[in-house]
Amino acid sequence: DSGVTQTPKHLITATGQRVTLRCSPRSGDLSVYWYQQSLDQGLQFLIQYYNGEERAKGNILERFSAQQFPDLHSELNLSSLELGDSALYFCASSVGGGLAGGSYNEQFFGPGTRLTVL
Amino acid sequence: KNEVEQSPQNLTAQEGEFITINCSYSVGISALHWLQQHPGGGIVSLFMLSSGKKKHGRLIATINIQEKHSSLHITASHPRDSAVYICAVKSDKLIFGTGTRLQVFP
Repeated sequence: DSGVTQTPKHLITATGQRVTLRCSPRSGDLSVYWYQQSLDQGLQFLIQYYNGEERAKGNILERFSAQQFPDLHSELNLSSLELGDSALYFCASSVGGGLAGGSYNEQFFGPGTRLTVL
Repeated sequence: KNEVEQSPQNLTAQEGEFITINCSYSVGISALHWLQQHPGGGIVSLFMLSSGKKKHGRLIATINIQEKHSSLHITASHPRDSAVYICAVKSDKLIFGTGTRLQVFP
């Protein structure tokens, strides 16, 4: 158990809908990262927050947004869902600021949310 | 060509065999991270390296910065080692390899 929690575990929804995925980092970790893993693309970095502020951005679509709250939990919002958004969505956390510049902190992954868009 | 290449893509072994998984990259990096993804989907952090070698139990990870190459070794492999092993490198962004699927049979 990494100490990172994600809810829900599974989510089934229809095209055009909007969903929210939730992540709670390990105790003491200030950074939260979001990743998408689809069958044909492997793991893709979406976005990182550090202590409530956006720190690094990856391949995140405009239909997707995220935020980190004062209690450090994070939410990933996916809207206008398409079939191709079906994937595993992982959250990870680390102590430090992570991906900014040349730094990198070891990340610990949550169990993931499996999203199915029908 | 991908910036991070792993080999082999698939690997089958008998229990007890010595396993080597390779990761080559073409960009300058500040760190490399080996991850293990279980059949159920969960991802576990194995090693984070910026130089040299690290060992944890039966797992050993090495990195050669000059040659832009890292290896993950598993000694005395066991069926519970069956998983996908992923390397990720940190350059100006985090780039993941496509993974090596390992199956260890009794």
